[in-house]
Amino acid sequence: KQEVTQIPAALSVPEGENLVLNCSFTDSAIYNLQWFRQDPGKGLTSLLLIQSSQREQTSGRLNASLDKSSGRSTLYIAASQPGDSATYLCAVWTGGFKTIFGAGTRLFVKA
Amino acid sequence: EAQVTQNPRYLITVTGKKLTVTCSQNMNHEYMSWYRQDPGLGLRQIYYSMNVEVTDKGDVPEGYKVSRKEKRNFPLILESPSPNQTSLYFCASSLGGQTSGVFTDTQYFGPGTRLTVL
Repeated sequence: KQEVTQIPAALSVPEGENLVLNCSFTDSAIYNLQWFRQDPGKGLTSLLLIQSSQREQTSGRLNASLDKSSGRSTLYIAASQPGDSATYLCAVWTGGFKTIFGAGTRLFVKA
Repeated sequence: EAQVTQNPRYLITVTGKKLTVTCSQNMNHEYMSWYRQDPGLGLRQIYYSMNVEVTDKGDVPEGYKVSRKEKRNFPLILESPSPNQTSLYFCASSLGGQTSGVFTDTQYFGPGTRLTVL
């Protein structure tokens, strides 16, 4: 059974710092992996989608990588800002057309 | 505007009183799905649908029903709600599905429905 783990569960950094969020999954048979952002009490906003055949995707200050063989993805945030404070979730689409989410990393960027 | 809508956004009900949470998308997506989010557990998939009249169970389907009679709508039905179904519910849709057999598109999420069962 596919399991998705995100480490750390919470992270507090000063403004301007570069940071890495981690996501690991147990079964490499995935269609794609997606990173989301969730603000308190709000819905999910898609950040980056990496297809199973891709190694990375970039959008602005965000870069996501995927290593299927090791069951890992990282989300790199450059020059963090207070507005980046949110919970970041990763999710994998499995071969059975199910979606499995990690529990998320709660990020706080201090001004 | 492309979007996924859910109604109601907030609902307080009592144990055993049947309720339906509606979900609608205007993007002609084949794939639709329901999730619940609980503190410390992340999002867990309840049911998903690959196409009209095609649905399947996610990881936590007990106590829920769904139907997909039209492509745009995917209601979540709680026949006899219980307090352990108190949660934040999200509906999502994506372009891929049964016809294409691929899932290369992002999932778009609705704003969420906060349900409290007393």
